[in-house]
Amino acid sequence: NAGVTQTPKFRILKIGQSMTLQCTQDMNHNYMYWYRQDPGMGLKLIYYSVGAGITDKGEVPNGYNVSRSTTEDFPLRLELAAPSQTSVYFCASSYSSYQETQYFGPGTRLLVL
Amino acid sequence: DAKTTQPPSMDCAEGRAANLPCNHSTISGNEYVYWYRQIHSQGPQYIIHGLKNNETNEMASLIITEDRKSSTLILPHATLRDTAVYYCIVSLGGSQGNLIFGKGTKLSVKP
Repeated sequence: NAGVTQTPKFRILKIGQSMTLQCTQDMNHNYMYWYRQDPGMGLKLIYYSVGAGITDKGEVPNGYNVSRSTTEDFPLRLELAAPSQTSVYFCASSYSSYQETQYFGPGTRLLVL
Repeated sequence: DAKTTQPPSMDCAEGRAANLPCNHSTISGNEYVYWYRQIHSQGPQYIIHGLKNNETNEMASLIITEDRKSSTLILPHATLRDTAVYYCIVSLGGSQGNLIFGKGTKLSVKP
């Protein structure tokens, strides 16, 4: 199993541009999550999904959108990039939520200039 | 906000045990204690979790006090590859199940 994969690894965006961060897991996990990590800080939850077709907001959802059309994929969309969205983005998955450990991808480093 | 308190940094000699403390005085009866670590620039990695009893796996041991207000993660024989930020997290799980990460403890294992 490849686990959780994320693309791209690194991206530079101009203010106002849009992009989609891709996340795929091959573990047949129901739950998927998007976190962001600012320098020197812990992770903050952006959005999560409990299954295909179901998504919900986390702690910091403003400026982002998600979709979950399949069990495997959970893309994160930035519509109008802002410098405040400069961060490292991590996708994670778990089979369920209760007592289940989360498996993280390698991250996408985003720089908005 | 994170419900845990950890020292910002710790040093440990290679080959010695690393004992990482965590305070979680407001933990509720059905919340678990999780430990994750993050090696530089990588995604967080699960280490261990527990509710009341002490737990051990191939990576580490978790000691939870009887009142559950604090815990200690023990890496029995630290190696240079254990240098990382270690996060102690209390989580109920449930429908959201997100992990609230604080700033963690930066563990530096030195030769």
